[in-house]
Amino acid sequence: AQSVTQPDIHITVSEGASLELRCNYSYGATPYLFWYVQSPGQGLQLLLKYFSGDTLVQGIKGFEAEFKRSQSSFNLRKPSVHWSDAAEYFCAVGDASNTGKLIFGQGTTLQVKP
Amino acid sequence: ETGVTQSPTHLIKTRGQQVTLRCSSQSGHNTVSWYQQALGQGPQFIFQYYREEENGRGNFPPRFSGLQFPNYSSELNVNALELDDSALYLCASSPTSGATDTQYFGPGTRLTVL
Repeated sequence: AQSVTQPDIHITVSEGASLELRCNYSYGATPYLFWYVQSPGQGLQLLLKYFSGDTLVQGIKGFEAEFKRSQSSFNLRKPSVHWSDAAEYFCAVGDASNTGKLIFGQGTTLQVKP
Repeated sequence: ETGVTQSPTHLIKTRGQQVTLRCSSQSGHNTVSWYQQALGQGPQFIFQYYREEENGRGNFPPRFSGLQFPNYSSELNVNALELDDSALYLCASSPTSGATDTQYFGPGTRLTVL
């Protein structure tokens, strides 16, 4: 069965420090992978997505993610975190069936220390 | 361009009651997907509507039902509410039902069942 695991439930980093959020997936074929961010009281905003091609993808707000097939991972990175990045981050795999439904991980809450 | 909107923002119901949640899709989008996000969890796929027809369903009982209208707006109906139905309900619209189409999320409706 398809699944997504985000091993870190909560992460705290200092403002200006680098960030890496981990995501592992289980999927039988080439996955469609997404990272979304959710701020309190808000819906989900797409940060970036990977379908094929270059395994390093750039997203909005200075985020990037690297697809590693051998490790079944799609980790999200940012070189320098800003206080406004504090939010919940979700990794998702898109079902390649007709619906393209998204299967989400449990999420990682990012706290940014001043 | 208007994004995805949902109404109401918050709702409180009691066990056994019925509820209807509404979603207006983004302009030009003909597909709406609904997700349930329990507290501390990632969103879970309920079902998808494509051109007014149900196009796929997740692991939810039949008391969860939906509609899509000719203008592609959508409703989610839940009958015989249970305490576990308390969650944030997210609607997402996409240009088509394909797996590579980005899903754009609304802010959600917070349902509390007492």
